[in-house]
Order: sequence, then C-alpha cells, then structure tokens
Amino acid sequence: DIQMTQSPSTLSASAGDRVTITCRASQSISSWLAWYQQKPGKAPNLLIYKASSLESGVPSRFSGSGSGTEFTLTISSLQPDDFATYYCQQYNSYPRTFGQGTKVEIK
Amino acid sequence: EVQLVESGGGLVQPGGSLRLSCAASGFTFSSYNMNWVRQAPGKGLEWVSYISSSSSAIYYADSVKGRFTISRDNAKNSLYLQMNSLRAEDTAVYFCARRDSAYDIWGQGTLVTVSS
Repeated sequence: DIQMTQSPSTLSASAGDRVTITCRASQSISSWLAWYQQKPGKAPNLLIYKASSLESGVPSRFSGSGSGTEFTLTISSLQPDDFATYYCQQYNSYPRTFGQGTKVEIK
Repeated sequence: EVQLVESGGGLVQPGGSLRLSCAASGFTFSSYNMNWVRQAPGKGLEWVSYISSSSSAIYYADSVKGRFTISRDNAKNSLYLQMNSLRAEDTAVYFCARRDSAYDIWGQGTLVTVSS
C-alpha cells in the first residue's frame, strides 16, 4: 500500500498568512493526487485534483504543486473560512490512501 | 442539484449487520464509479470500497474484505454497502463519494456505531 504522510499535523496561522502543507508518498504516484478541505461535521470538499488542477468553484488562493512523491498545497492569503482540516489522497493505485490530515488553526 | 444522500446508519451490536444506502440525484448515476469512505470519530479519512459504473470492478480495503459487500442499482440510482460481522473499530461516519479518481461529490455521511 502507498503511505501518505502530511506535515505539519497542526498549523497555527493568522488571516492573511501564506500557508503551505506538504504531502509525501511512500512511492511515486506521478500526479495522481487530490487535496480536500473538511470542516467539523461536514463532508470533505475537493480543492485540487491531478496535483495542481483547481476544482471548479474553488477560490484561486488555493494552489497545488508537485509530482512523484512530494506535493504541496498552498493558500496564498488565508481567509477566515479556510480554518479547517486538509487531507491529501493518492489515486495512483488501490487501496486509495489519505494523509493523516493537517489542521489549520487560528493563531 | 448534484447530490448524494446516505441513510441506514445506527447503533448495532458487535457481530451484527447493517446495510447502508446512498441515493444519487442530479446526475447520470449509471455513468459514474462510486466509493465508500469512512471516518472514525476524531480520526482521518479511510477509503473502504469501490465499485465501477457497471459493477464489473469492485475493490475493498483489507480492513473490511470478507465482511462488507458493495453493490449498486443503476435503475434506482442507488449505491449500497452491506456490512456484516461488525466490530467496534467499524464505528465511523460513512460517506459515499463519486468518481474513480478525485472524489468530486460527497454525501453528508451516516453514522454507524458498533457497541454493546
């Protein structure tokens, strides 16, 4: 199975900050990576697919990059609505696997 | 509106069974591959099972293989998860999610609690 490791697990930031979350795969997954945002009590929401493609309707302050085994999600200017937990997921092979999540908290 | 709505969750004793349903609307259900994903209380996301649009391909996580069965009825626009031999560690919110790749549409989830 492909292991997905996110860092950091928790991130404290202020509105307006630039935020970067890293996701590493235990083996190459090409660009078959997605990023999701999840708020408490809600379903995850797709932000980025194929490592760097922005899902329709997602604000342009979200961006993704990387390929192979190392990926990043960047929020260019953190907004109050962005405080949430973020997950990466590989869809290169089965079983599909998720990172453990990164909680973005208010500093 | 494109929508997925899960139902069927509840409290069940260890060793018991439960059948979850996911009703799809607003899109051509028969054209899409589907999944079940779960989230234990306070924990991360775990993929559970996948079924192709025609039911020709099915996959399971090792943690549920032999106990859970995924199925679909394209005429009823519905996805199912039959869960047998339930364990305490199966306690989670269960989401259905659309697509084989990045999951673009998710249901709101249904809570399954396995406890005596």
